Amino acid sequence: DQQVKQNSPSLSVQEGRISILNCDYTNSMFDYFLWYKKYPAEGPTFLISISSIKDKNEDGRFTVFLNKSAKHLSLHIVPSQPGDSAVYFCAAKRGLSGNTPLVFGKGTRLSVIA
Amino acid sequence: DADVTQTPRNRITKTGKRIMLECSQTKGHDRMYWYRQDPGLGLRLIYYSFDVKDINKGEISDGYSVSRQAQAKFSLSLESAIPNQTALYFCATSDPPGGASTDTQYFGPGTRLTVL
Repeated sequence: DQQVKQNSPSLSVQEGRISILNCDYTNSMFDYFLWYKKYPAEGPTFLISISSIKDKNEDGRFTVFLNKSAKHLSLHIVPSQPGDSAVYFCAAKRGLSGNTPLVFGKGTRLSVIA
Repeated sequence: DADVTQTPRNRITKTGKRIMLECSQTKGHDRMYWYRQDPGLGLRLIYYSFDVKDINKGEISDGYSVSRQAQAKFSLSLESAIPNQTALYFCATSDPPGGASTDTQYFGPGTRLTVL
C-alpha cells in the first residue's frame, strides 16, 4: 500500500516556464511534508518542507502548496532553469515531534529544456 | 569534507557472498537510516536507528542486518547477497525534532551494489 504517490514519473518543461510537481498521500495522520531533489550519482538533498498547519511555504523560486482536504501537495518552480533537471521526491511524516520515519514517493524526473 | 560518507561507492559481488556497506557522519546527528533506491520504486527504508542503542526495521528489512557501532557509524550487511539486492543504497542522518531541528534527513552519496 503506497502511502505517498507521485503519479507522474517524468515531466518536461521549457526553461523559464513553471514546473509543477504533484504528490498525493493517503495517510491522514501525515502532518509534515518535504521535497528532496536528486541529481545522478549524488544522494538526495533537502529542498523545502511544509507543516500541516500551513498551506503554503516559499523559498526563492520554490513554493510548496498543501491541500489537506484533498491530501495533495505540489511543488512549483518558477522560473524553471536547466539546473533544476533532477529527480524530485516527495516525502511525508506522521508527527513532527514523534519517532516515525519519512515515507517517500517514487519520484518524478524533471527535465528543463533550454 | 562530506558530512555523510559511504564506503564503498561501488561494489560488484557474487550471489551468496557477505557484503558490508559502511556509513559515517560528522554532523553529530543521533538518527541514522539506510535506504535502497530501485528504478521506478523510489527510496525504500531498510533499517533506522534513533540512537546507538536503538535499531528498527523499515519497510524492506528482510535479507539485511545493521550495526550501530557508534553515534557516527551505521553499517548495513547483506549476509548472503542475491541478485535482486542489486540497487543503489543510501545512508542518511537527522537530528531529533525540537528547537530548530525538524528531523530533516541528510543523505550520503550512495553505494552502487551489483550482485551477479
